[in-house]
Amino acid sequence: GAGVSQSPSNKVTEKGKDVELRCDPISGHTALYWYRQSLGQGLEFLIYFQGNSAPDKSGLPSDRFSAERTGGSVSTLTIQRTQQEDSAVYLCASSLGGAGGRGEQYFGPGTRLTVT
Amino acid sequence: AQSVSQHNHHVILSEAASLELGCNYSYGGTVNLFWYVQYPGQHLQLLLKYFSGDPLVKGIKGFEAEFIKSKFSFNLRKPSVQWSDTAEYFCAFRSDSSASKIIFGSGTRLSIRP
Repeated sequence: GAGVSQSPSNKVTEKGKDVELRCDPISGHTALYWYRQSLGQGLEFLIYFQGNSAPDKSGLPSDRFSAERTGGSVSTLTIQRTQQEDSAVYLCASSLGGAGGRGEQYFGPGTRLTVT
Repeated sequence: AQSVSQHNHHVILSEAASLELGCNYSYGGTVNLFWYVQYPGQHLQLLLKYFSGDPLVKGIKGFEAEFIKSKFSFNLRKPSVQWSDTAEYFCAFRSDSSASKIIFGSGTRLSIRP
């Protein structure tokens, strides 16, 4: 399809294990965002990629979290040594991006992470 | 710090009632404003947006929002809600000082009684 896709849709992991979450943005979208949505909470910004620029990592909650975007397309969010408080839905969004972009973000279905 | 406040955490209405969901942002410069909706079991989707021009913006499914700069508000309205409007609604904004980041509010859960 033409939308943002994320995998896996659900992930259950044991505390202390590492996880990788994947996002495939809409083709041609240069901006890519990761958010976290905890139960009863709004969207918490994690990281933003725009083209070849250095990513805005200001929202990453700890150094256990990292993300990369290879070839300006697919992105992977990695959480090392997972903790129970990492349990949330992780959302990816993409947009045309840039200062001249329209700013409208298209969201993927999310990955529900449960840390036991 | 830039932020968005959605004062209503959970709103319960009967069908055909009028709706207004509050949204206030904290930033003194130029902003782009958005309302997103998340229906049960579905992913977030854009309801409407304001970039410039007419401060009264019309979106999908009969929703509209009015940007009042003096009040730093962008309230969402619908004259007559339907059961299918049951969803979570998120207000968001992007400032001219941080074109990359869109800041979301904590959301308002809307429940419509049939």
